[in-house]
Amino acid sequence: DQQVKQNSPSLSVQEGRISILNCDYTNSMFDYFLWYKKYPAEGPTFLISISSIKDKNEDGRFTVFLNKSAKHLSLHIVPSQPGDSAVYFCAASSGYSTLTFGKGTMLLVSP
Amino acid sequence: NAGVTQTPKFQVLKTGQSMTLQCAQDMNHEYMSWYRQDPGMGLRLIHYSVGAGITDQGEVPNGYNVSRSTTEDFPLRLLSAAPSQTSVYFCASMRGTEAFFGQGTRLTVV
Repeated sequence: DQQVKQNSPSLSVQEGRISILNCDYTNSMFDYFLWYKKYPAEGPTFLISISSIKDKNEDGRFTVFLNKSAKHLSLHIVPSQPGDSAVYFCAASSGYSTLTFGKGTMLLVSP
Repeated sequence: NAGVTQTPKFQVLKTGQSMTLQCAQDMNHEYMSWYRQDPGMGLRLIHYSVGAGITDQGEVPNGYNVSRSTTEDFPLRLLSAAPSQTSVYFCASMRGTEAFFGQGTRLTVV
C-alpha cells in the first residue's frame, strides 16, 4: 500500500509558466515533507521541505503548500525554466525516521 | 567536499554471483540508508542504519545484507544476484530529516 502517492507520472509546461506538482499521503503520522529533484544519471538532490506545523514554505521560485486535512501537498515552480526539467520526488517522514518516497513526476519545461 | 560516495558506478553480474556495493560519507551522519530505483516504482528503502553496529530492514530487504562497522561506511551485499535485482541503487546519509544521496550504482544482472 503506497503511503506517498504522486499520481501524475509526467507534466509538460512552457517556460515562464507555473509548474504545479502534486503529492498525496495516507499516513497521519507523517510530520515532515520534502521534495527532491533528480536529473538523469545523478542522485536525488534536496529541493525544499515543510513541517506539518506550517502550511507554506517558500524558497525563491519554489513554494511548497501543505493541506493536512486533505493529506495533500504541492510544489509550485514560478517561473518555470528549462533547467527545471527533471524527475521530482515527494517524500515524507514521521519524526527522525526513514523517508518514504512517491514514484516521482517527470517535469518537462519547454522553451 | 565529497559528501556521499558510491562505488562502482556501473556493474554487470551474472546470476548467482555476489558483490558488494560500497558507500562512504564524510559528513559524520549517524543515519544511512540504501534505496533502489526502478522504472515506475520510485525509490524504495532496502536497509537502513541509525548508527555503527545498528541496522534494520526497509521495504524491500530480501536478497540484500548490510553491516555498519563504522560511521562512515555502509556497504550493501548481494549474496546471490538475481535478474530481479537489476536496478539503480542509491545510498543516502541523513542530517535530521534531510537525506543526501550518492550518485548511484547501475547494476545489471544477466
